Amino acid sequence: AQSVTQLDSHVSVSEGTPVLLRCNYSSSYSPSLFWYVQHPNKGLQLLLKYTSAATLVKGINGFEAEFKKSETSFHLTKPSAHMSDAAEYFCVVSLYGGATNKLIFGTGTLLAVQP
Amino acid sequence: DAGVIQSPRHEVTEMGQEVTLRCKPISGHNSLFWYRQTMMRGLELLIYFNNNVPIDDSGMPEDRFSAKMPNASFSTLKIQPSEPRDSAVYFCASSLRGGDNEQFFGPGTRLTVL
Repeated sequence: AQSVTQLDSHVSVSEGTPVLLRCNYSSSYSPSLFWYVQHPNKGLQLLLKYTSAATLVKGINGFEAEFKKSETSFHLTKPSAHMSDAAEYFCVVSLYGGATNKLIFGTGTLLAVQP
Repeated sequence: DAGVIQSPRHEVTEMGQEVTLRCKPISGHNSLFWYRQTMMRGLELLIYFNNNVPIDDSGMPEDRFSAKMPNASFSTLKIQPSEPRDSAVYFCASSLRGGDNEQFFGPGTRLTVL
């Protein structure tokens, strides 16, 4: 069965320092993986997605993620954090099979950015 | 495209009242999802539709909750009677089934049941 595990519920960084949000997935076949971001009192917005093309995926706002099959990981990174990056981030795997096309969401990582 | 549209954005009601949340998916999308988000339980999938047909309603909390999709451009989530524990943000999302399953989320409806 497909699942995702976000290893940190809270991450705090200083503005200008790198961001690393960790995600491990479990899937019986090659998955589609996503990162969504949710700013306070807002809906969810897609940051980036992996769909079996290039393993290094670039998203919006300078974020990127690397699909590593050997490690079953899809960590989200950004070289330099900005105050506006403070939000909750969800790692997501797509569930396929028959009529099913659900997304399985991780529990979220709350990113705080200190000035 | 206007994206996924939800109404109302905020709803405050009293326990026992009926609540109806509405969603208009992105034109051309054939899958629609209803989620609930709370601090305690996080983001939960309640029900989803493919081509207006309910596929999986295992996330619907109980019989007080019902969802319909009478056509490709409209869906409702109804709670009758409402209870304080139903207070949450309810999101609607749509996607194009057969693609990469990226879901596009609406802004949500913040429901408060007093």
